[in-house]
Amino acid sequence: GNSVTQMEGPVTLSEEAFLTINCTYTATGYPSLFWYVQYPGEGLQLLLKATKADDKGSNKGFEATYRKETTSFHLEKGSVQVSDSAVYFCALRGGGNKLTFGTGTQLKVEL
Amino acid sequence: DAGVIQSPRHEVTEMGQEVTLRCKPISGHNSLFWYRQTMMRGLELLIYFNNNVPIDDSGMPEDRFSAKMPNASFSTLKIQPSEPRDSAVYFCASSFSSEKNQPQHFGDGTRLSIL
Repeated sequence: GNSVTQMEGPVTLSEEAFLTINCTYTATGYPSLFWYVQYPGEGLQLLLKATKADDKGSNKGFEATYRKETTSFHLEKGSVQVSDSAVYFCALRGGGNKLTFGTGTQLKVEL
Repeated sequence: DAGVIQSPRHEVTEMGQEVTLRCKPISGHNSLFWYRQTMMRGLELLIYFNNNVPIDDSGMPEDRFSAKMPNASFSTLKIQPSEPRDSAVYFCASSFSSEKNQPQHFGDGTRLSIL
């Protein structure tokens, strides 16, 4: 079956630091890949997506590249802000209708 | 554009009471999902519907939980009788079913506390 593995959190960074949150997946075929962000007290919001190999999704300074050879979709941002503090979820959608989520990685950005 | 709308935002009730959570999906979306989120178990898919028909309810914890989708614009998740271990945030999400590259869109959730 499909699965998503994310790095354990919490990740604590200083403002303007570089961010990487690792995500690897197991799936048959060619899934679509997503990053969602959840701010405190809110639902999950789509951050970015990539639908085929070598696609790069980007939004709000965040980027992730669909790497089929390493089955990875790592999330990166060059300079984080305090307002980026949230929980980040990696997810995949295969041929069916369901999303398979990772366990989430909490990011804390400090001044 | 209106997103997925859930009500109530917060619910506090005593154990044994019936709880009904409501969801209005995004207009035009034909798939609807109910999730539960807790610190211990993370995000769990409870059930999902395609074109108002339940497709997979394997995540529904037990017979106390039931979900309905009487039409394309409304769904309910009911817990009867409720227990303290049901305390969680319940999310509804909707999407287009036919396109693999389409994401799910989430509501803001219902925070449920069973005393």
